[in-house]
Amino acid sequence: AQTVTQSQPEMSVQEAETVTLSCTYDTSESDYYLFWYKQPPSRQMILVIRQEAYKQQNATENRFSVNFQKAAKSFSLKISDSQLGDAAMYFCAYRSAVSEKLVFGKGTKLTVNP
Amino acid sequence: EAEVAQSPRYKITEKSQAVAFWCDPISGHATLYWYRQILGQGPELLVQFQDESVVDDSQLPKDRFSAERLKGVDSTLKIQPAELGDSAMYLCASSSRGRFSGGYTFGSGTRLTVV
Repeated sequence: AQTVTQSQPEMSVQEAETVTLSCTYDTSESDYYLFWYKQPPSRQMILVIRQEAYKQQNATENRFSVNFQKAAKSFSLKISDSQLGDAAMYFCAYRSAVSEKLVFGKGTKLTVNP
Repeated sequence: EAEVAQSPRYKITEKSQAVAFWCDPISGHATLYWYRQILGQGPELLVQFQDESVVDDSQLPKDRFSAERLKGVDSTLKIQPAELGDSAMYLCASSSRGRFSGGYTFGSGTRLTVV
């Protein structure tokens, strides 16, 4: 079974600075998808960024980018120019291309300090 | 923008009572998921539907939980009897069929408190 590990329960960053959230996963599959989701206190799960395993190029969405290391099974999220609105729980998630099952990590709580 | 609808938003129930949650996925989304999220933790998959069929319910406590998606559209998750440990957020999500090109769309969830 696939597992997703987020080793940082909490992180903090100063406004306008850069922060990196870590994620590792375990799988025997070669075709899969990886996601970072944001969950603000309102609890709505919001997709931040996604990466397809067959793509070597790291995904980027405005201030959010990932460092995808397939061999190391690592998928970190970098947030540049952090804003107060970035404060939330961030979840790394793995989706099997075969079973379509979406598995989440335990999350990292990000605090942005003004 | 299309949304996944869930109701109720909040539910307080007494231990041993029955409770039900409803989810209406995005139109045309064949795959529907129910997740349970305990405060401070990541969501845990309870059941996955493909159309009206259950694809994965390996983590569903079947002695007290049941889920159905009779016409392959909306879905109901039921707990009977509810226990104190069932207090959590119940999230519904949907995705389209076939070569995965998009993400999952999550509803706002139902927060259940069992007293």
